[in-house]
Amino acid sequence: AQSVSQHNHHVILSEAASLELGCNYSYGGTVNLFWYVQYPGQHLQLLLKYFSGDPLVKGIKGFEAEFIKSKFSFNLRKPSVQWSDTAEYFCAVSSVSNQGGKLIFGQGTELSVKP
Amino acid sequence: NAGVMQNPRHLVRRRGQEARLRCSPMKGHSHVYWYRQLPEEGLKFMVYLQKENIIDESGMPKERFSAEFPKEGPSILRIQQVVRGDSAAYFCASSQTDRATEQYFGPGTRLTVT
Repeated sequence: AQSVSQHNHHVILSEAASLELGCNYSYGGTVNLFWYVQYPGQHLQLLLKYFSGDPLVKGIKGFEAEFIKSKFSFNLRKPSVQWSDTAEYFCAVSSVSNQGGKLIFGQGTELSVKP
Repeated sequence: NAGVMQNPRHLVRRRGQEARLRCSPMKGHSHVYWYRQLPEEGLKFMVYLQKENIIDESGMPKERFSAEFPKEGPSILRIQQVVRGDSAAYFCASSQTDRATEQYFGPGTRLTVT
């Protein structure tokens, strides 16, 4: 069965620190990969996605993620975080072969950025 | 993605009552997904529907839960005879196609069972 694992439950950083959130998935076939963000009191928004091509994907708000197929990983990075990046971050996977493309989510990482 | 509407935003039910959660997809989207987020957990897929059809209900509990997406009107997730363990946030998402190119999420309905 597909599964997604996010390494950190809660990360606390100071402004301007660099961020890397780990995400590993378990699935033998071809997948699409996503990072979603949920700011306090808001709905989930798509940060970035990977379908194919360049494994380094750039998203909104200065975020990027790198797909490493051999490691089944899709880690999220940002060189310098801001207080406004405080949110919960979810990694998700969908199987390309399944009709419907249901998303399998990791358990989420709560990021707190201290001003 | 603010176009996916869910109501109510908060719903309180006593044990044994029925809960009805509504989801209106974005304009032009005919694919709807329901996810549940239990406390301290990530979102879990429940069901995928197209207009008038349930395509994948592999994540739905076998009893008390049902979903529909009629030709006209919103998608409905119905939970009969609610129990405390049903307390969670229920999110709806919609997409334009049946491949997960991108799903747009609604604000969620937070169900509390007392």
